[in-house]
Amino acid sequence: GAVVSQHPSRVICKSGTSVKIECRSLDFQATTMFWYRQFPKQSLMLMATSNEGSKATYEQGVEKDKFLINHASLTLSTLTVTSAHPEDSSFYICSASSVGGRGILNQPQHFGDGTRLSIL
Amino acid sequence: EDKVVQSPLSLVVHEGDTVTLNCSYEVTNFRSLLWYKQEKKAPTFLFMLTSSGIEKKSGRLSSILDKKELFSILNITATQTGDSAVYLCARRGDSGAGSYQLTFGKGTKLSVIP
Repeated sequence: GAVVSQHPSRVICKSGTSVKIECRSLDFQATTMFWYRQFPKQSLMLMATSNEGSKATYEQGVEKDKFLINHASLTLSTLTVTSAHPEDSSFYICSASSVGGRGILNQPQHFGDGTRLSIL
Repeated sequence: EDKVVQSPLSLVVHEGDTVTLNCSYEVTNFRSLLWYKQEKKAPTFLFMLTSSGIEKKSGRLSSILDKKELFSILNITATQTGDSAVYLCARRGDSGAGSYQLTFGKGTKLSVIP
């Protein structure tokens, strides 16, 4: 159980292109999803918290107009990197927590397989 | 100052060795501590620790939390080459918006050689 699917796994595109990444919880409902970014040999850095039906909460230094997040349903959140540039090249990972019987506090985050984005 | 500090940053051991990975964290709004294993792709969940002094075990892996010392360890006994990975420690805090965010340490890269 607790499977998170992320698509696509790999994107290579030209500078100026907008790229959409999907994150789906396959066997549970996720009221909250998280988007992370990971540079080579570094740890995961939280970019934003996505709540179903409301606006995402962005971490300091993350441009909300650059990284558009939509969480339209309990099983899907999308991250759109708008007008991507080479410095946006990174590994983007989403995670989701299920709503457990004892509340979300007791459920770990499960991660998707990540999307490697390369902007030429 | 980092909120989650892992040590060592890298470790090379021989198959069969036992390793201990360390994680210290900041107490502010602390809810729980999680361990993940990351190989080539995204992290896979290992343990979530909320209570102090209660060891969690899964096969050759075990972990325990000391909330007084703000510290957790992850033990791996009889290591195998398949244990080679980056082990991430994450502190789960209450952001105040109910989102329970994870703050990750830099990870410990474990290499197990035959």
